[in-house]
Amino acid sequence: EAGVTQFPSHSVIEKGQTVTLRCDPISGHDNLYWYRRVMGKEIKFLLHFVKESKQDESGMPNNRFLAERTGGTYSTLKVQPAELEDSGVYFCASSRETSKNTEAFFGQGTRLTVV
Amino acid sequence: GNSVTQMEGPVTLSEEAFLTINCTYTATGYPSLFWYVQYPGEGLQLLLKATKADDKGSNKGFEATYRKETTSFHLEKGSVQVSDSAVYFCALSGSGGSYIPTFGRGTSLIVHP
Repeated sequence: EAGVTQFPSHSVIEKGQTVTLRCDPISGHDNLYWYRRVMGKEIKFLLHFVKESKQDESGMPNNRFLAERTGGTYSTLKVQPAELEDSGVYFCASSRETSKNTEAFFGQGTRLTVV
Repeated sequence: GNSVTQMEGPVTLSEEAFLTINCTYTATGYPSLFWYVQYPGEGLQLLLKATKADDKGSNKGFEATYRKETTSFHLEKGSVQVSDSAVYFCALSGSGGSYIPTFGRGTSLIVHP
C-alpha cells in the first residue's frame, strides 16, 4: 500500500509569490491533517479534513492560507501571498479513523523556503 | 490547552550508550501518548504508543512508560546504534474531546560510532 505522498519535496519562492503544496493520503483514509514545523520548534496543527469537509481549521495562521480537499481524495494547501515567516516544513498526515489511539501516517514533508 | 514538552537537543551519544529523552505533557482527561521518529529524508513514523496509565510501549529496543502521576512519557533505550540517529517527537491525542495529535518540538539524536 502506498504511503502518504507530498509534492514538492522542496520549494523556494520569493516573498509575495504563491505556492501550492499537495498531499495524497493513503487510500481509504478519510482523515487528513496538515501540520507545519518551523525550524527547531514543535509541529503545529493547521487543519483537519474528514473526507472533503474541513473538520477543524483552528490552526490556520491567517487568510493567506487556503486548504482544499476536492472529492475527499488529495488535498492542496495554497499560500498566497507568501511571507518570510511561512518558511518551514509542511507535513501532511492521514488516518483511517479518528480516535485517541489512532496512529497518524505522515508524508515526508514539503520544505518551503520564502526568500 | 494541550501541550507536550520535550528536552532540548541535540542529544549526542556514542554507540551502545544509554538513551533517555524526556517528555512531559499537559492535558485533561486520559490521553494516549505516542513517540514518533523521523529518520533523515523521511516522514514521521510511529515508534511506540501507550493508551492508559502505567502502560509501557516498546518497539525496536525503545521503551516508554505512561506515568500519570508525573505526566511523563520518557523514551529510553539501553544501547543506541548509529542507525538510531533521527529526530524523535513526543505526542498526545484524545484530550478534551480532541483526537488531533499534539506534538512536542522534537529532539534530535546523534549517535557516533
